[in-house]
Amino acid sequence: QPVVTQSSSASASLGSSVKLTCTLSSGHSSYIIAWHQQQPGKAPRYLMKLEGSGSYNKGSGVPDRFSGSSSGADRYLTISNLQSEDEADYYCETWDSNTVVFGGGTKLTVL
Amino acid sequence: EVQVVESGGGLVQPGRSLRLSCAASGFTFDDYAMHWVRQAPGKGLEWVSGISWNSGTIGYADSVKGRFTISRDNAKNSLYLQMNSLRPEDTALYYCAKGDQQLIRHFDYWGQGTLVTVSS
Repeated sequence: QPVVTQSSSASASLGSSVKLTCTLSSGHSSYIIAWHQQQPGKAPRYLMKLEGSGSYNKGSGVPDRFSGSSSGADRYLTISNLQSEDEADYYCETWDSNTVVFGGGTKLTVL
Repeated sequence: EVQVVESGGGLVQPGRSLRLSCAASGFTFDDYAMHWVRQAPGKGLEWVSGISWNSGTIGYADSVKGRFTISRDNAKNSLYLQMNSLRPEDTALYYCAKGDQQLIRHFDYWGQGTLVTVSS
């Protein structure tokens, strides 16, 4: 089963950019992942599906400020022109053998 | 508009059972897999179970295998989670999520969740 690893926290200033990382375990570097955002007190929201090639497909209504990229086993979520509403927990997930695995999530603070 | 709405949560004693339901609308239900994901208070997301479009493939997290049973009724656009032998560590907000294709893969829409509290 794959393991997905995320940093527990990140911070960046209002209006700047931040790049969050999701790392796939050895032997699973080609896997597709998905990013989800959870604002405080709200249900999660699907952001995008991201392939190892760096190609991504965003969910309905996800702002252009959100983009994805990949390098090896790393999958990135970049948020540009940070807004206060981007302060949230961000989770990545992948699947294998009919099970889904989440990373521990990254808490993003907008300064 | 895609909507999934959970119901059936509540307070239950350890060892007892509870059945969650999820009503789906705004999409062709029997074209997509469906999932249950939970979140314990103050913790991260944990995938619980998923079911393919035709119930032909089902998966469970190790933490619930043998105690929980997922099912769906495509005629009623509904998803269910039968939870038996409940433990305090099953206390969580349970989310229903729409799969992004027929098989158990990723998910692209979430409900608002239903709270399950296991306590004596």
